[in-house]
Amino acid sequence: EPEVTQTPSHQVTQMGQEVILRCVPISNHLYFYWYRQILGQKVEFLVSFYNNEISEKSEIFDDQFSVERPDGSNFTLKIRSTKLEDSAMYFCASRGLAAQETQYFGPGTRLLVL
Amino acid sequence: SQQGEEDPQALSIQEGENATMNCSYKTSINNLQWYRQNSGRGLVHLILIRSNEREKHSGRLRVTLDTSKKSSSLLITASRAADTASYFCATRGTQGAQKLVFGQGTRLTINP
Repeated sequence: EPEVTQTPSHQVTQMGQEVILRCVPISNHLYFYWYRQILGQKVEFLVSFYNNEISEKSEIFDDQFSVERPDGSNFTLKIRSTKLEDSAMYFCASRGLAAQETQYFGPGTRLLVL
Repeated sequence: SQQGEEDPQALSIQEGENATMNCSYKTSINNLQWYRQNSGRGLVHLILIRSNEREKHSGRLRVTLDTSKKSSSLLITASRAADTASYFCATRGTQGAQKLVFGQGTRLTINP
């Protein structure tokens, strides 16, 4: 069964460093998302992406964040200058056609900012 | 906000018993989805119920939706130790937004 994959599974970085989190959505999906979950808290929406552009973003998704679909398979989240409070589990999700509502999540990348 | 809230926050039952978790939300929705998360792992989609549906079944799972009360329940019948996980409801709104808004989750523990 097709699944969303994410790399790396864990990343440790120093405050102020740039990180890129990578996702490979399910191959025929058209809608892509990033969510995050701070330890012990609820899952929060960051951004949605469709037709090569951001379709919606949350207040969390400020100028330090960016997303890109550099080729036909990868979907990346970049944090330009990480802060301690960026430490969280980051989930990528994808969805098929508009009529297919289910969002399929990847296993997540655990980011720790020191 | 469209925030979903689950209750109880934690539930501990014996294997074989049924587990019921509830979710409430605040605004109109297009659909409501339930996810499961094993400790520190990813989110596994369980079931989706649309706003015009009242009940849905999938194996040992039964989901109900009451849009007048803005609430949903997830019933797991004949629970197993492997059902131990956190369960989240997530709502998708009606105003063009595609994002899911998650609740805090219910931590379910099945005791053997």
